[in-house]
Parts: sequence; C-alpha cells; structure tokens
Amino acid sequence: SYEVAQPPSVSVDLGQTAKITCGGNNIGSQNVHWYQQRPGQAPVLVIYRDFNRPSGIPDRFSGSNSGNTATLTISGAQAGDEADYYCQLWDSSTVIFGGGTKLTVL
Amino acid sequence: EVQLVESGGGLVQPGGSLRLSCEVTEFTLRNYEMNWVRQAPGEGLEWISYIGSRGTTTYYADSVKGRFTISKDNSKNTLYLQMSSLRVEDTAVYYCAREDGSGASDAFDIWGQGTMVTVSS
Repeated sequence: SYEVAQPPSVSVDLGQTAKITCGGNNIGSQNVHWYQQRPGQAPVLVIYRDFNRPSGIPDRFSGSNSGNTATLTISGAQAGDEADYYCQLWDSSTVIFGGGTKLTVL
Repeated sequence: EVQLVESGGGLVQPGGSLRLSCEVTEFTLRNYEMNWVRQAPGEGLEWISYIGSRGTTTYYADSVKGRFTISKDNSKNTLYLQMSSLRVEDTAVYYCAREDGSGASDAFDIWGQGTMVTVSS
C-alpha cells in the first residue's frame, strides 16, 4: 500500500515561514490535501488539491506538490498556527493520512 | 450552518458492539460521499470507512474490515457506523467527515466534533 512520510515536528519563529513536507513515491501525480488540527479540536481543511485554499483560510497558507514531495507552507507564522498538520490523499479505494507534523511557533 | 454532529460513543467491553450516528444539518446527505476517521489518544488520524452518495459503494480500512459497517439513511440525513467485535485498540475519537461535493476535489471539507469510544473491561 502507498505510504507517506511527514516529519514529526517543525519549529518556526513567530512571523517567519514554516514548511511542512509530505513525502511519497511520485506523490506529485496525486491530489494532496492538508488539514490543521488544534489541540482538542476536529481537523480543518486548509489546502485541497495541492495548492487550493478553501474559503476562510488565510492566504498565509499555501501548498505545492512535485516529484516525491508535497509541501505546506505557512508564511508569517502566528501563535494560532501552532497545531498538528496532516497530509492526505486517496490511493485506489483507500484514504491515506500522513502521520502528522506538530508545528511549534517560537 | 453546515454541521455534522456525532453521537453514540461510550464505554464498551472488548467483544461488544456500538453504533455511532452522525446527523447532518444544512445540507442534503444523499448528495454527498461520507467518511469515518478515528484518532486514538495521542495518535494521528486514521481513515476507517467511506460510503458513496447513493449508499451502494463502501470501502473499509483493513483494520476494521469485517467488523464495522458504514451506512446512511438519506431520509433522516444521518450517517451510521455499526461497530462489532470491538477491541481495545479501537479506542479512539471517531469523526464523521464530508467529502467536498463540488466536484473540485475529494478532500474532507466538513468534520464533526467527534465522539469518544472506549473499549475496556
């Protein structure tokens, strides 16, 4: 089955840019979605189909996907962005979630 | 406001059964594909099941195949997850999630608040 890998943790200074990766074999050929999950809350979709933002999501959130890596970029990181982030895709008839990345804003 | 509200969680003994419900508001369930996702304490998200808009197509993760059954009652605007032969490792918060129905993607655009299932003797 298809597997994806995320770094367990990423740290970013307040106001700087954070990049969270999701690696997988030729993941660039897949549609990758990203979710933010704050502690004690349900996940929220922040990027769909590699780089699209749902309404209400700040333009500080962006995405890209090429080759073997999909990337979620958070520009001008704020304290409220501190959360777990998950990539997700469909592989045949199965949904694959990455293991999640804990973003810490310093 | 579009909402998903799960219910039915609780404490159950190993080998027992439980049925979760997910009532949807402000949209018509028959037009949407739906999923169940769970999250064990301190762990990541795990997809467990999908159902098509008509309710005739279902998929399951290997971890629950043969034990869990997903279904929907479009007339009641409610999604269900029947869980049987429960194991300690099924302990988790269970979320229902709607797939984007616009045709733009298959992302999960709306999530419920989750219901906790604890399997323990």
